[in-house]
Amino acid sequence: AQSVAQPEDQVNVAEGNPLTVKCTYSVSGNPYLFWYVQYPNRGLQFLLKYITGDNLVKGSYGFEAEFNKSQTSFHLKKPSALVSDSALYFCAVTSFNKFYFGSGTKLNVKP
Amino acid sequence: NAGVTQTPKFQVLKTGQSMTLQCAQDMNHEYMSWYRQDPGMGLRLIHYSVGAGITDQGEVPNGYNVSRSTTEDFPLRLLSAAPSQTSVYFCASRSGDARQYFGPGTRLTVL
Repeated sequence: AQSVAQPEDQVNVAEGNPLTVKCTYSVSGNPYLFWYVQYPNRGLQFLLKYITGDNLVKGSYGFEAEFNKSQTSFHLKKPSALVSDSALYFCAVTSFNKFYFGSGTKLNVKP
Repeated sequence: NAGVTQTPKFQVLKTGQSMTLQCAQDMNHEYMSWYRQDPGMGLRLIHYSVGAGITDQGEVPNGYNVSRSTTEDFPLRLLSAAPSQTSVYFCASRSGDARQYFGPGTRLTVL
């Protein structure tokens, strides 16, 4: 069965510090991997994706993600967090036309 | 360019009532999908469509019907609402590079 796991319900980080939001996946075949962000009472917004190529993917708002095939992980990172990064982050994979989302990680960036 | 639009924004139903959630996109995307978002469970795929006249089931299709008569529209029907269908519903369309664009959501309460 296809699945996505985000092991942390919440991540707290101080502004200016680096942040990591973790994601692991289980899917057959070669997956497409995504990160989306959701602000309160809004739909999801695309941040970045990995399809093939370089394992380090750069996306919107200074975020990047590292694909690790051996560990089946796709962790989201940012070198220096901003208070405005506080939101709900979802990892997703697609396989055979179906998308599977993780349960979400709430990122709190404190001033 | 409106992107993905959903109506209504909010809806309260009584158990057993029926209703249709509307979704439209103006980006000429072939792929469209419906998700429900529940606390702690992320987004779960209800139904999806790869083009006009073609629909298929996702993870949680029971209690929901869809049809796709045009590229632009992808309505979701609840035939007999149940309290377990209380949720936030998101429609999305997918571009050729696999990126999904989400609507603003419909918050549904079933009493």
